[in-house]
Amino acid sequence: RKEVEQDPGPFNVPEGATVAFNCTYSNSASQSFFWYRQDCRKEPKLLMSVYSSGNEDGRFTAQLNRASQYISLLIRDSKLSDSATYLCVVTLTTDSWGKLQFGAGTQVVVTP
Amino acid sequence: GAVVSQHPSRVICKSGTSVKIECRSLDFQATTMFWYRQFPKQSLMLMATSNEGSKATYEQGVEKDKFLINHASLTLSTLTVTSAHPEDSSFYICSAPKDRAESGNTIYFGEGSWLTVV
Repeated sequence: RKEVEQDPGPFNVPEGATVAFNCTYSNSASQSFFWYRQDCRKEPKLLMSVYSSGNEDGRFTAQLNRASQYISLLIRDSKLSDSATYLCVVTLTTDSWGKLQFGAGTQVVVTP
Repeated sequence: GAVVSQHPSRVICKSGTSVKIECRSLDFQATTMFWYRQFPKQSLMLMATSNEGSKATYEQGVEKDKFLINHASLTLSTLTVTSAHPEDSSFYICSAPKDRAESGNTIYFGEGSWLTVV
């Protein structure tokens, strides 16, 4: 079983619409959670950290459910530039800070 | 601008040769760096943890004699793919955590290196 699992998509989203997708993690000891964005053939870039109380950054909202061990990302008012692969990322413990476990990514395609 | 720089961005090498990839932290010291590999449509997989002044720690299934890691200074880690074969063709990327007083540790990635072995 993979440590971090994501629906690969693609999610085809009309411009201006809302899209949401989840990620599940297997290790209950996981401590920190992130969403990264990766464009084709590029390095991943941090989109946002995910906090227990849920958090919002502009059009992006992230939620964490520790009991069910899943993280979600919601994108409102989708832009063409939101087309990318979104990577769910988990770290286990604070003493292995920087050692990230990646999901395989969810592809989002925003269409005009 | 880039905080972690990786070089080369693309390299093509012949089967059986060795290739070195460099990862530099540009404005901070990184006692630890991480090397990942990503095959097409797959997740980034941690290969090893590079430790300044000591041996790298390899993840299970990663051959330490094939993927040589040297972290000789606080700003440079190198990954050498020895006796490369076509199945080693992949996207290799490094990362380094930087302690930011205002927001705690932040992880920065290099630009990645595309290796093609022919």
